[in-house]
Formats: sequence, C-alpha cells, structure tokens
Amino acid sequence: DAMVIQNPRYQVTQFGKPVTLSCSQTLNHNVMYWYQQKSSQAPKLLFHYYDKDFNNEADTPDNFQSRRPNTSFCFLDIRSPGLGDAAMYLCATSRDRDILRGNQPQHFGDGTRLSIL
Amino acid sequence: GEDVEQSLFLSVREGDSSVINCTYTDSSSTYLYWYKQEPGAGLQLLTYIFSNMDMKQDQRLTVLLNKKDKHLSLRIADTQTGDSAIYFCAERSGGYNKLIFGAGTRLAVHP
Repeated sequence: DAMVIQNPRYQVTQFGKPVTLSCSQTLNHNVMYWYQQKSSQAPKLLFHYYDKDFNNEADTPDNFQSRRPNTSFCFLDIRSPGLGDAAMYLCATSRDRDILRGNQPQHFGDGTRLSIL
Repeated sequence: GEDVEQSLFLSVREGDSSVINCTYTDSSSTYLYWYKQEPGAGLQLLTYIFSNMDMKQDQRLTVLLNKKDKHLSLRIADTQTGDSAIYFCAERSGGYNKLIFGAGTRLAVHP
C-alpha cells in the first residue's frame, strides 16, 4: 500500500543534542509537510517542500531545519532541542499544493513522538 | 487571522449518533476536512467537503456545511467503540494548500 512512513516512532534526545526525524513516502507526491503537535493541541505547520523548493512558516523557530534529498524522503532536523520542543512531529504529503487544481488532501504518517531529557 | 474552533469533548452511548461541531473564520476556504486521530497515531483523513456544497454523505459519516455561519459539523451514525478518538476539523487556507486545524474534539463512546 502506498503510504507515508515516519521513523522512528519514538525518539528520546538530550537537551541541546541535535536530532533528526525521518519521513518517507511511496505516493510520489510533490509536496511534503512537517507539523508539530503538542499535547492536546492542534497540529501546527512548520514548513513544507514543494518538490525541491523549501517554504518556511513565518513563526517557525530557526532551530528547526529540513532537508529533502529526493522525492521520497524528507528530514526534520532540530539543531539544539529545548524542553519546549517535546511534541509529536507529523509528516504529511499531498499530490500538489496549487489550490486552483482542486482538492489536494494531505496524507499523514503515524508521527514521531520526541522526548527531551 | 485564520482560526478554527471545536468543542473539546463529546461523550455518546454506543449505537447513538455523534455530532461534532466546528467553526472557522476564513470565508475564502474552498475545502474543509475532517481527520481522525487515534491514541499515539497520526491523522487519518475521514472526509472533506467543497465549499459550494451543503452536505456530503459517506457511509456512516455526514458532513454539513453552513457557509453563511462558517459552521461545519460531522455526524457519525450508529457510533461504535472503535470511533473513540480525537476528531480534527481543518480548513484549507492561503494560496498553497495550508491546513489550519482546530484543537480537536475527543469523542468517548460508552456502552
């Protein structure tokens, strides 16, 4: 089945120690998104890639970076995790992002829950 | 700015209907979505509605849209224990398929 896969499901890191979360997709979608979801809150978009074009949200901290080496993979790098970065990180994909091309539903992976010691 | 509001909690008896409500602010939203999140999992797309529709039915799910009041609802018929989860309403906003989510409604189904 085509899907969005996130690894690992659970990640523990130390305060200030860089960490990388991984997302892969077999849907061959052009757009990949990263969301942060804190406990009992709405998912919040951090950034997205449209093909190789990186698009940051205005309020995403500089501590968060992303890489997309090819269509299938996208990584979330947190350079110096703080206690406030403990959250579930969700990866999503959509075929396109052009709203003039109609419905472009986002398909989510199961997330990576990040804990900071 | 954009905002999506949902009630936080709903409890229903198994076999009854559940109605989860949502209000949004962006009148230019063209698509509105309902996602389901089970404990420890990601978001599963349940259904969506285009803004020129008033209603959409998909098996046990019925979506109602009141565009004038910017009100969206999800009705689940014959609610089962497997429907227990958090349900997120989301509007598509902006020029690049950005989703704005509500905080989610936790649905608890009891015997």
